[in-house]
Amino acid sequence: GNSVTQMEGPVTLSEEAFLTINCTYTATGYPSLFWYVQYPGEGLQLLLKATKADDKGSNKGFEATYRKETTSFHLEKGSVQVSDSAVYFCALKGGSGQNFVFGPGTRLSVLP
Amino acid sequence: DAGVIQSPRHEVTEMGQEVTLRCKPISGHDYLFWYRQTMMRGLELLIYFNNNVPIDDSGMPEDRFSAKMPNASFSTLKIQPSEPRDSAVYFCASTLEGWRNTIYFGEGSWLTVV
Repeated sequence: GNSVTQMEGPVTLSEEAFLTINCTYTATGYPSLFWYVQYPGEGLQLLLKATKADDKGSNKGFEATYRKETTSFHLEKGSVQVSDSAVYFCALKGGSGQNFVFGPGTRLSVLP
Repeated sequence: DAGVIQSPRHEVTEMGQEVTLRCKPISGHDYLFWYRQTMMRGLELLIYFNNNVPIDDSGMPEDRFSAKMPNASFSTLKIQPSEPRDSAVYFCASTLEGWRNTIYFGEGSWLTVV
């Protein structure tokens, strides 16, 4: 079946540091890939997505590129802010199923 | 556009009581999901529906949990009787058929069973 693996957290960075959160997936076929963000006390919100190989999703300074050869979708941001502190979930949809598969989430804390 | 609407937002109940959580998906969406989130277990899929029909309920913890979707615009998740270990945030989410389509989450129902 489909699955998503994310790097373990928590990740703690200083403001303006570079961020990478690794995500790899296993799926049959050609899934779509997503990053969701959950701020404290809120639901999950779509951050960005990519629907085919080599696509780059981007939003709010975050980027992720769909790499089929390495089955990865790593999240990056060049300069994080305190307001980026949240839990980030990698997810996939499609391939062999219609339901979404979420990774375990990575908690990010950005210190001023 | 209205998003996924859940109620109640917060509920505190005593052990043994019945709890009913409600969800209105985004109009036109044909998939509806119920998730549970806890610190220990993270985000767990409980059940999902397609066109109001339950497709996979393998994540429902036990017989105390039940979910229904009587029509395309309403779903309930019921816990009877409730136990302290059911304390969690319960999310409802909806999406459209198709592998490119995004899943949209409600703001969650924060349940505390004392």
